[in-house]
Amino acid sequence: QKEVEQNSGPLSVPEGAIASLNCTYSDRGSQSFFWYRQYSGKSPELIMFIYSNGDKEDGRFTAQLNKASQYVSLLIRDSQPSDSATYLCAVRRYGGSQGNLIFGKGTKLSVKP
Amino acid sequence: DGGITQSPKYLFRKEGQNVTLSCEQNLNHDAMYWYRQDPGQGLRLIYYSQIVNDFQKGDIAEGYSVSREKKESFPLTVTSAQKNPTAFYLCASSTKQGTEQYFGPGTRLTVT
Repeated sequence: QKEVEQNSGPLSVPEGAIASLNCTYSDRGSQSFFWYRQYSGKSPELIMFIYSNGDKEDGRFTAQLNKASQYVSLLIRDSQPSDSATYLCAVRRYGGSQGNLIFGKGTKLSVKP
Repeated sequence: DGGITQSPKYLFRKEGQNVTLSCEQNLNHDAMYWYRQDPGQGLRLIYYSQIVNDFQKGDIAEGYSVSREKKESFPLTVTSAQKNPTAFYLCASSTKQGTEQYFGPGTRLTVT
């Protein structure tokens, strides 16, 4: 079983819609969860992190964490063409060396004007 | 400006040559990391360092070496022993206590 799984997409949404990106993880003891945005040919950019069950909102972005079901999601409201990118989910290893993350392969999002 | 710099942006080498990728940060972060990204793949951890003069192997350390002589610098050497060195190499850093990692712009290495 892969440690961090994401649907590779592409996920296509119309401009102004809500984009929903999902990520599941296998290590039940995982504590910290991160979402990175990566434009084509560029490096990943941290956009959200969440440590507690529930929702965390930052502007148009909402991260949702459900530890019991072992999934974390990212919602993007009022999607814009500039949101078109690959979104990487990362999970901090439980019990591992401090700060080490495991990355999913990413979901490619396409926002159509 | 605070940030992470990597150089060069693009690097071309012949097979059998060692090559060193530079990574510098002025964020005063204690921890630094090297990842490799292949097309359609997630990031894979090569080496990491939590403190100066100390570093540990990640998941795919074979064929790579690092040093951490200064807090600000964490260079990666891709040796001739690395079987498939062509990839996008990403350096990241984080505070010792926190886990949010911030990435440099990356170096795209092509070996022919």
